Amino acid sequence: GNSVTQMEGPVTLSEEAFLTINCTYTATGYPSLFWYVQYPGEGLQLLLKATKADDKGSNKGFEATYRKETTSFHLEKGSVQVSDSAVYFCALRDSNYQLIWGAGTKLIIKP
Amino acid sequence: EAQVTQNPRYLITVTGKKLTVTCSQNMNHEYMSWYRQDPGLGLRQIYYSMNVEVTDKGDVPEGYKVSRKEKRNFPLILESPSPNQTSLYFCASSSWTGGGTDTQYFGPGTRLTVL
Repeated sequence: GNSVTQMEGPVTLSEEAFLTINCTYTATGYPSLFWYVQYPGEGLQLLLKATKADDKGSNKGFEATYRKETTSFHLEKGSVQVSDSAVYFCALRDSNYQLIWGAGTKLIIKP
Repeated sequence: EAQVTQNPRYLITVTGKKLTVTCSQNMNHEYMSWYRQDPGLGLRQIYYSMNVEVTDKGDVPEGYKVSRKEKRNFPLILESPSPNQTSLYFCASSSWTGGGTDTQYFGPGTRLTVL
């Protein structure tokens, strides 16, 4: 069946460091891929998405490229801020419309 | 403002006492869903609904019921709550344009504790 695997956290970085959170998936067909972010005490909100191979989603300085050949959708940011501290979820949505979630990666940014 | 609202935000109850968590969206979305979030397990889908009067089980439906009598509302019902249903619950909605590209919008969450 479909699945999403994220790197385990927490990931702890200093401010202005480069961020990568790995996400790989297993799916039949051509799923859409998403990154959601959950700030402390809040619900999830969409960060970015990509709907087909080689698409790049971007938002708030974050980027992720849909790589079908490696079945990956890694999240990157060139210079993180303390305000980026949150839990990040990778997810795919298959043609049956179901969202399959990764376990989430907690990101801690230290000043 | 486009939003998904849930009530209550926090609830402490006792085993066996029926409860309902309401969910409402104002975006005219066809698709609605309930998730629970537990540490280390990410989000797990409880039930979902493709449209009015159309509901189906997700990954962890045991102990829960839902109904979709109106497009905007999708309440989650726990007929006889048990301590293993202590969790953080999220309602979500999205449009249905086919192909799975639509973004889900999430409510703020309901933290439920069952004693």
